[in-house]
Amino acid sequence: AQSVSQHNHHVILSEAASLELGCNYSYGGTVNLFWYVQYPGQHLQLLLKYFSGDPLVKGIKGFEAEFIKSKFSFNLRKPSVQWSDTAEYFCAVLSGSQGNLIFGKGTKLSVKP
Amino acid sequence: GAVVSQHPSRVICKSGTSVKIECRSLDFQATTMFWYRQFPKKSLMLMATSNEGSKATYEQGVEKDKFLINHASLTLSTLTVTSAHPEDSSFYICSARDGWVQETQYFGPGTRLLVL
Repeated sequence: AQSVSQHNHHVILSEAASLELGCNYSYGGTVNLFWYVQYPGQHLQLLLKYFSGDPLVKGIKGFEAEFIKSKFSFNLRKPSVQWSDTAEYFCAVLSGSQGNLIFGKGTKLSVKP
Repeated sequence: GAVVSQHPSRVICKSGTSVKIECRSLDFQATTMFWYRQFPKKSLMLMATSNEGSKATYEQGVEKDKFLINHASLTLSTLTVTSAHPEDSSFYICSARDGWVQETQYFGPGTRLLVL
């Protein structure tokens, strides 16, 4: 079965620091990958997604992610974080059988002003 | 963008009662909706997949008779927690899939259930 692992449970950064959140998936075939963000008290929002093509995907709010097939990774990056980026970030892979998403456990990002 | 709503946003009920949670796609037709449960400090766990006009497909370990799902129209799916117990207290989130291409799901804001 497919699975997603996120290495960092809680990341604390100062404003303007660079961010990289790790995500690894288990399936070796064609994958569709997503990053979602959940701001405090709000619902999940799509940051970016990868289906095919350019492995460097740009999303909203200055986020990007790179799909590296050889490493089974889809890490999320942002060059300079802001206090408003404080949220929980979830990596997910689309399950081939039913089209549902399989989520990682999430990484909580706290940005200090 | 596509919007998914959930009602109620939070509910407190007594043990043994049933609670219905609605999930609506407001500006698109969703042939498939998903119900997730989110535990504190843990990820979202898929409970069931709901296809319009057919029976829901439940994940292993999810009781069909306890978590009744109905997807009667292309814009509405309901989850009914029957005979709720304190261990059912959780955050329930639905998502709706818009179309068959580019498989993007849109999430509702979630429903916080507290069973006393």
